[in-house]
Amino acid sequence: NAGVTQTPKFQVLKTGQSMTLQCAQDMNHEYMSWYRQDPGMGLRLIHYSVGAGITDQGEVPNGYNVSRSTTEDFPLRLLSAAPSQTSVYFCASSYGINLAKNIQYFGAGTRLSVL
Amino acid sequence: DQQVKQNSPSLSVQEGRISILNCDYTNSMFDYFLWYKKYPAEGPTFLISISSIKDKNEDGRFTVFLNKSAKHLSLHIVPSQPGDSAVYFCAASEAGKSTFGDGTTLTVKP
Repeated sequence: NAGVTQTPKFQVLKTGQSMTLQCAQDMNHEYMSWYRQDPGMGLRLIHYSVGAGITDQGEVPNGYNVSRSTTEDFPLRLLSAAPSQTSVYFCASSYGINLAKNIQYFGAGTRLSVL
Repeated sequence: DQQVKQNSPSLSVQEGRISILNCDYTNSMFDYFLWYKKYPAEGPTFLISISSIKDKNEDGRFTVFLNKSAKHLSLHIVPSQPGDSAVYFCAASEAGKSTFGDGTTLTVKP
């Protein structure tokens, strides 16, 4: 199994550009989430989804949009990139948020630089 | 206000010795605590967890201790190996949603 696949691995944008970070999982997981990790900091939740058609905001949602049309895919859209969005982005999935432990499986990350 | 704190950004230990990584939290509603391990250029991977109703969970060389009254947990690695060198994230879960600490970089010297 591929697990959680993120594309692209690296991206450089200019301020104001838009782009979509792709995330796909092949484990039939209900719960998917997007995090960003800034240098020296932990993972901060951007958006999450508890199933197809259902999304909700996390801790730092501003400037990002998500949708969940299928169980497998959970793309993250940057509407108008800003230098403050320079970060490493991780997508994660798990069996379900109703499982208290909710062990998450992470992709390898997308390193984004906004100039 | 940071709900999950890992106050030591880095830790260096000798191979074969014990590594102790610490984590403090403020939210008493957290019901599960997890440790993830992260190598450079990879995503975090799950290591070990503990329920809020337990005070200890062991898995091979890894043991997690929970002190609810102090809102403190720790991860013990015995014996430490060079392959354990990585960033370790503490995470606390409430109703399935996790909050992460900033991580501790562990270096195990041969």
